[in-house]
Amino acid sequence: DTAVSQTPKYLVTQMGNDKSIKCEQNLGHDTMYWYKQDSKKFLKIMFSYNNKELIINETVPNRFSPKSPDKAHLNLHINSLELGDSAVYFCASSQDPFTGRLYNEQFFGPGTRLTVL
Amino acid sequence: DAKTTQPTSMDCAEGRAANLPCNHSTISGNEYVYWYRQIHSQGPQYIIHGLKNNETNEMASLIITEDRKSSTLILPHATLRDTAVYYCIVRVPSGSARQLTFGSGTQLTVLP
Repeated sequence: DTAVSQTPKYLVTQMGNDKSIKCEQNLGHDTMYWYKQDSKKFLKIMFSYNNKELIINETVPNRFSPKSPDKAHLNLHINSLELGDSAVYFCASSQDPFTGRLYNEQFFGPGTRLTVL
Repeated sequence: DAKTTQPTSMDCAEGRAANLPCNHSTISGNEYVYWYRQIHSQGPQYIIHGLKNNETNEMASLIITEDRKSSTLILPHATLRDTAVYYCIVRVPSGSARQLTFGSGTQLTVLP
């Protein structure tokens, strides 16, 4: 039973293309995230959604657009892909802290390795 | 979120305890200490967290100094599968800053 799943696991595409990465969680969590891990292995937050509403939007190019059709799904669409977009993208989820849980551990998906040629 | 400082890398013999230190001298009173790890080519995995008391779970123990300016993650009997990058993060668990801010972490290599 996969808690947080992402598809595809690998994505190789040409510069200028548009691509999407899908994420689903079956944990009943209210909050989902997208992180980017670059070649230096630093993990940086990109977006966070709580109950389908955007709550965190870091300095990310407009070419990146998250979409949350329901609280179990958070997809990432990328337009006009550039070489610098090559990275591993991780989806994560957590229980909303306002529902009473004091801490807020996050559960991560396996990652999507995006390579832009 | 308070900044953390960790050694870049550490080695540990299989079966021995691995003690991973973390300095967080600017931690504020409402910030928790979290530990995550990332095994090669996988997503980060939550290990343990604490506020001021020592904590233990099935994976590890967390020792936080009385002044809370540093902590140590202890893997009591390290195995080869514990080889990973370990991240120490301090943060307030609620509010608008729900995201985790990862630093460079400590690469732990468990040697046979």
